[in-house]
Amino acid sequence: EAGVTQFPSHSVIEKGQTVTLRCDPISGHDNLYWYRRVMGKEIKFLLHFVKESKQDESGMPNNRFLAERTGGTYSTLKVQPAELEDSGVYFCASSSRDRWTSGNTIYFGEGSWLTVV
Amino acid sequence: RKEVEQDPGPFNVPEGATVAFNCTYSNSASQSFFWYRQDCRKEPKLLMSVYSSGNEDGRFTAQLNRASQYISLLIRDSKLSDSATYLCVVNNGYSTLTFGKGTMLLVSP
Repeated sequence: EAGVTQFPSHSVIEKGQTVTLRCDPISGHDNLYWYRRVMGKEIKFLLHFVKESKQDESGMPNNRFLAERTGGTYSTLKVQPAELEDSGVYFCASSSRDRWTSGNTIYFGEGSWLTVV
Repeated sequence: RKEVEQDPGPFNVPEGATVAFNCTYSNSASQSFFWYRQDCRKEPKLLMSVYSSGNEDGRFTAQLNRASQYISLLIRDSKLSDSATYLCVVNNGYSTLTFGKGTMLLVSP
């Protein structure tokens, strides 16, 4: 079974440009999450989709970030315009259930490494 | 105060050693607790969930102390392949996982 896949794996863009990150969750997982880790900090939650709906977007840093999940399958995270402080690794994750009950596992993708110069 | 605090290390230990990591969390309403392992430039992977009664998985033992808001991970008979960053993670019952910055373990021959 394919895991969570993310594209691109690495991206270097100039300040002010736009980048779109894509995530394909594990097939059948309704719950999709975006997290990110910026240099020297811990991994932080950005938002959570249940199917195509945004369940929780409390972690989105500002309106330069736009996440979509049309059709409830793959998701995109767009950063426009990118700033230097957006550099970091963006992880996507998916799970079959949204509550952290025993046995529920969240699976992470390998991340999209973004460098803004 | 950080929501989840860990000693960043690194912990340098020889093969075969026993090593313990600790973690404290600030939100007393946290409901679920986990240790994740992250290899260099890879994604976090669930190592084990942590229960108040303590739980063991092979060489790994995790313990939760709700009164002290403290979580531990004990690794016995360390292997070279245990070298990684260990992330303490808590959840409040909803969608958000809160991560610590991680503790780096280096196991040497």
